[in-house]
Amino acid sequence: GQQLNQSPQSMFIQEGEDVSMNCTSSSIFNTWLWYKQDPGEGPVLLIALYKAGELTSNGRLTAQFGITRKDSFLNISASIPSDVGIYFCAGQLYTDKLIFGTGTRLQVFP
Amino acid sequence: NAGVTQTPKFQVLKTGQSMTLQCAQDMNHNSMYWYRQDPGMGLRLIYYSASEGTTDKGEVPNGYNVSRLNKREFSLRLESAAPSQTSVYFCATSLGGETQYFGPGTRLLVL
Repeated sequence: GQQLNQSPQSMFIQEGEDVSMNCTSSSIFNTWLWYKQDPGEGPVLLIALYKAGELTSNGRLTAQFGITRKDSFLNISASIPSDVGIYFCAGQLYTDKLIFGTGTRLQVFP
Repeated sequence: NAGVTQTPKFQVLKTGQSMTLQCAQDMNHNSMYWYRQDPGMGLRLIYYSASEGTTDKGEVPNGYNVSRLNKREFSLRLESAAPSQTSVYFCATSLGGETQYFGPGTRLLVL
């Protein structure tokens, strides 16, 4: 089945650093979503993007819907320990099923 | 307002045993989904239900059955568990197919 290519697979950073991760697809999407999963929990929606080129922020998080509609980016500024977790992207074409990326595991060291 | 709840939280089965995973939502959403999550594989869709009374196969339906009991509840059944079904199972809901909200998960170990 189709899955999105998400990179990097894992990141180990120091508290206060900025983080960038991205998601690419061979297919176009109408919607891009970014989720975060804390250890032992279900994914929680962070940001939803509905338009090519759209740039949306949620606190220290900023996500962009790529112009080609085949990619999306997530940035986290000034990371803190509670940012630890797995970040998933997901793409959707119209009301079709969501396609998830394989996740980026983020570890933040004090 | 609990959102999406799943039971049980943990389960250990022997090969060949059967069990049902329960999911309930109080968000009045139409669509419900079952995913499995395996290391390095992300989330893969097992079955989904676009509305009460309808169910459809997802990416990895083999070995599973589902029931959309009513608008609130969507259950996943393993008739004869296999070690390959060891995974974390997540239920999710959405109003009309877009943004999905996930439950806390059921961790299943099949010996």
